[in-house]
Amino acid sequence: DTGVSQNPRHKITKRGQNVTFRCDPISEHNRLYWYRQTLGQGPEFLTYFQNEAQLEKSRLLSDRFSAERPKGSFSTLEIQRTEQGDSAMYLCASSSVTSGQYFGPGTRLTVT
Amino acid sequence: QKEVEQDPGPLSVPEGAIVSLNCTYSNSAFQYFMWYRQYSRKGPELLMYTYSSGNKEDGRFTAQVDKSSKYISLFIRDSQPSDSATYLCAIAAGNKLTFGGGTRLLVKP
Repeated sequence: DTGVSQNPRHKITKRGQNVTFRCDPISEHNRLYWYRQTLGQGPEFLTYFQNEAQLEKSRLLSDRFSAERPKGSFSTLEIQRTEQGDSAMYLCASSSVTSGQYFGPGTRLTVT
Repeated sequence: QKEVEQDPGPLSVPEGAIVSLNCTYSNSAFQYFMWYRQYSRKGPELLMYTYSSGNKEDGRFTAQVDKSSKYISLFIRDSQPSDSATYLCAIAAGNKLTFGGGTRLLVKP
């Protein structure tokens, strides 16, 4: 399978704990994106990387959120001190310069 | 007012019908237009990607863009029960996609 992969697929955590998600993009894609989706809504943009550089961040990405793409390949999204409002599906997408964005299966986060 | 508006549905049609899904947008700077299909608890699947006004066809799917009216459509011919899903339009001016809320489609056998 050469699509975008995300791990874990599901994460249940207690409020106040830190969580980290991983995204592996399509290998030939140099652009990587993170989105968040809540039930009944479309995905909302969080951040964008071109190679290893983080070029754009949404106001939704509070200080508790940090994303990295250290070698321009996989990316991680960390949420510190999770809150119940962080419960959502976290989606990763990748693209080349000329393609649309291809999404992974998502990581479903539940904060109890 | 949201930047991208989409009727949430549900839209229920019989198998074999032609389906029309629509979005309107407010920002004339938007340049790229995409349609995604999303099954429950899955990631969005890219169906169509276009950047110009007019029609683009791929199999049973046709995407239509009218930049002057800020209106985009997706047509599905010969709809199948397996097409039952939520359809999301997504529009971009640069690297960030702005999504509509999605239209839920039900195709009944």
